[in-house]
Amino acid sequence: EAGVVQSPRYKIIEKKQPVAFWCNPISGHNTLYWYRQNLGQGPELLIRYENEEAVDDSQLPKDRFSAERLKGVDSTLKIQPAELGDSAVYLCASSLWGEQLGALNTEAFFGQGTRLTVV
Amino acid sequence: SQQGEEDPQALSIQEGENATMNCSYKTSINNLQWYRQNSGRGLVHLILIRSNEREKHSGRLRVTLDTSKKSSSLLITASRAADTASYFCATARKGSGYSTLTFGKGTMLLVSP
Repeated sequence: EAGVVQSPRYKIIEKKQPVAFWCNPISGHNTLYWYRQNLGQGPELLIRYENEEAVDDSQLPKDRFSAERLKGVDSTLKIQPAELGDSAVYLCASSLWGEQLGALNTEAFFGQGTRLTVV
Repeated sequence: SQQGEEDPQALSIQEGENATMNCSYKTSINNLQWYRQNSGRGLVHLILIRSNEREKHSGRLRVTLDTSKKSSSLLITASRAADTASYFCATARKGSGYSTLTFGKGTMLLVSP
């Protein structure tokens, strides 16, 4: 079974330029997360989707960050314009959760991440 | 914001020794999970313990949970060089629909041959 796939793996851009990350979750997973991880820190949630609905985006800097999850499957995360402080690893994860589905575990499966460097 | 705090921040041991990492959290949880991250494989789920469980085992891993103290510990027995990685606790909090995972800052474990 394929895991969570992210692309690109690495990206170097100049500040003020736009950048986009793509994520393909595990087939059948209804929940998709985007996390940002700074060096030496734990992942910090940016946004969580349940199917195509963003249900937790309180930590997403909405002035420059946007995300979408079309048809409740793949997702893209965009930054426009990028700032030096946006340099980090951006992680996508997916899980299957839902009381109505009988799935009460929230174990998340992570992609390899995209390492963004803004210069 | 980060919910969990791991302790210690870094741990260095010899192969064959046991490694113990602790995690404290702030709010009521549905479950607590431990993840491992190394440069080769990214973040990988290790073990999940529910709020009504006190101890759980998986291979060389033993996790305890004390909800009265809002703390958990991860014990790795008979450590190997391949256990070298960063270890994170993550909590699924009540009030977030249970499915948002909030991570701590991690413990960096170095196991020397």
